[in-house]
Amino acid sequence: DIQMTQSPSALSASVGDRVTITCRASQSISSFLNWYQQKPGKAPNLLIFATSSLQSGVPSRFSGSGSGTDYTLTISSLQPEDFATYYCQQSYSMPYTFGQGTKLEIK
Amino acid sequence: QMQLQESGPGLVKTSETLSLTCTVSGGSITSSSYFWGWIRQPPGKGLEWIGSIFYSGTTYYNPSLKSRLTMSVDTSNNQFSLRLISVTAADTAVYFCARHGSKILSWFDPWGHGTLVTVSS
Repeated sequence: DIQMTQSPSALSASVGDRVTITCRASQSISSFLNWYQQKPGKAPNLLIFATSSLQSGVPSRFSGSGSGTDYTLTISSLQPEDFATYYCQQSYSMPYTFGQGTKLEIK
Repeated sequence: QMQLQESGPGLVKTSETLSLTCTVSGGSITSSSYFWGWIRQPPGKGLEWIGSIFYSGTTYYNPSLKSRLTMSVDTSNNQFSLRLISVTAADTAVYFCARHGSKILSWFDPWGHGTLVTVSS
């Protein structure tokens, strides 16, 4: 199985901050990397697919980049509704695997 | 707009069988463009892919669950189902169903709201 490791596991930030979350795969996943946002009691919501493609309806302050084994999710200017937990997921090979999550909290 | 809805018992006894159904609305489960998957999340923990099924009945299971897992599809009712035998407390989780586009280079969207299944004696 491909292991996905996110860092940090938790992050405190303020509204307006620029935030970056990193996801590292245990082997190259050829940009087959997706990002989800999950709020308490809700299902995950797709933000970015295939490393850098923004899902329809997702604000442009979210962006993704990376290649090989290393990927990042960036939020350019945090808004109050962005405080949530973020997960990366690889679709390079089955079994699909997720990172352990990054909880973004208000400072 | 496509919607998915999980249904099934919220409480299952240890060693018994967990059965859940996902009903798809706003689109056909027989689309050749999509797979239908299950993902679970233990309370306070991360996400685990359980398995996926194509409308033809072709299945892909997580090896960690394969020996206990069966997935099926009911095209007449636009539903797909999960059956997990010999459950333990470790199977307590919120179970989500979701659509994904292909075997690789795919993503889960949309998702159902999720249903909490508690395993207890």
